[in-house]
Amino acid sequence: AQSVTQLDSQVPVFEEAPVELRCNYSSSVSVYLFWYVQYPNQGLQLLLKYLSGSTLVKSINGFEAEFNKSQTSFHLRKPSVHISDTAEYFCAVTRMDSSYKLIFGSGTRLLVRP
Amino acid sequence: NAGVTQTPKFRILKIGQSMTLQCTQDMNHNYMYWYRQDPGMGLKLIYYSVGAGITDKGEVPNGYNVSRSTTEDFPLRLELAAPSQTSVYFCASSYTREDGYNSPLHFGNGTRLTVT
Repeated sequence: AQSVTQLDSQVPVFEEAPVELRCNYSSSVSVYLFWYVQYPNQGLQLLLKYLSGSTLVKSINGFEAEFNKSQTSFHLRKPSVHISDTAEYFCAVTRMDSSYKLIFGSGTRLLVRP
Repeated sequence: NAGVTQTPKFRILKIGQSMTLQCTQDMNHNYMYWYRQDPGMGLKLIYYSVGAGITDKGEVPNGYNVSRSTTEDFPLRLELAAPSQTSVYFCASSYTREDGYNSPLHFGNGTRLTVT
């Protein structure tokens, strides 16, 4: 079975500072990895995904994540955050052979302060 | 396109009551899902459907039922509401291609359910 661990339940950071949200996964088979973002009172939206190829994936709003197979990690980073990045971020994993069944982490709330 | 639409947005139930959470999507997606989100627990898959007439259990199906009579609709039924079912419920959909590609999930805005 797959599992996802997000160790930080909340990450406070000042505006324009860098941030890293940690995600570690466990799986005995090959997986796809995702980051979803949830703004208040909304559903989740896909932020970025790793399926294959380059281990560094980027979103259109400046976030990036790197797949590290040896450390079973998929940490999310942004070099300079904005107030509007305040949201909850979920890491998710799925098996390559049943990629419609996502397993989610418990989420990290990013709180950006002015 | 409206995407994935969930109704109602909020509901309070008494223990033992029943209700149906509605979910409809207008993207012609073949896969649909129901998740529940509890604080600090992430999302747990309740049921999913790979197409009209086909449903299957997820991680936490007990106390729930689903049906998928059309591609668009995937209602979630609670027969005897219990306090443990207090949660935020999300419906989602995705599509698959013949080459095995699965699209990212598209989520509705959720239904906040309280059972007292």
